[in-house]
Amino acid sequence: GESVGLHLPTLSVQEGDNSIINCAYSNSASDYFIWYKQESGKGPQFIIDIRSNMDKRQGQRVTVLLNKTVKHLSLQIAATQPGDSAVYFCAENPWGGKLIFGQGTELSVKP
Amino acid sequence: NAGVTQTPKFQVLKTGQSMTLQCAQDMNHEYMSWYRQDPGMGLRLIHYSVGAGITDQGEVPNGYNVSRSTTEDFPLRLLSAAPSQTSVYFCASSPASLGYEQYFGPGTRLTVT
Repeated sequence: GESVGLHLPTLSVQEGDNSIINCAYSNSASDYFIWYKQESGKGPQFIIDIRSNMDKRQGQRVTVLLNKTVKHLSLQIAATQPGDSAVYFCAENPWGGKLIFGQGTELSVKP
Repeated sequence: NAGVTQTPKFQVLKTGQSMTLQCAQDMNHEYMSWYRQDPGMGLRLIHYSVGAGITDQGEVPNGYNVSRSTTEDFPLRLLSAAPSQTSVYFCASSPASLGYEQYFGPGTRLTVT
């Protein structure tokens, strides 16, 4: 079946460094991908999205890269800050609004 | 806009009890959905609705019922709670079913003893 998974369950970075969180997806029909950030005790918050007709999309301090050839998605956070500490989920939207979430990566930022 | 609201925030049930988790959104979104999140896992889709009067099953629908009588509200019913339903439940809404971000509520933490 379809699945979205993350390569690393935890990531620890130094404040100011860049962070890269990776995600693999298996459904080649997916045409929309989202990254969510979830802080402890809260619901997921939208970070950035990308459609399958794009390879890269940039936001404020975040960049999402999509490699459809190898079904790989990544989230890059520039100049990581302590406030970026959270669990990050990728999700794919293959059809009918059924978002399929990956397991999540916990990002820990050391001051 | 309040966005997506959920009540209650916390709930403890005994096995076999029933209850309804409430979800409401004031963004006039057509699409609403319910997810559960278990420790160390991503969100799994329970049920979803593409509009008032229309609901469908997600990945893990067993033990849960939903209805969508209005655009704003999408309650989730547990008819006979089981310990396996201990989880955090999130409601989400979106302008449409495909190609739009989903806005999540703050969640309901449910414990079934």
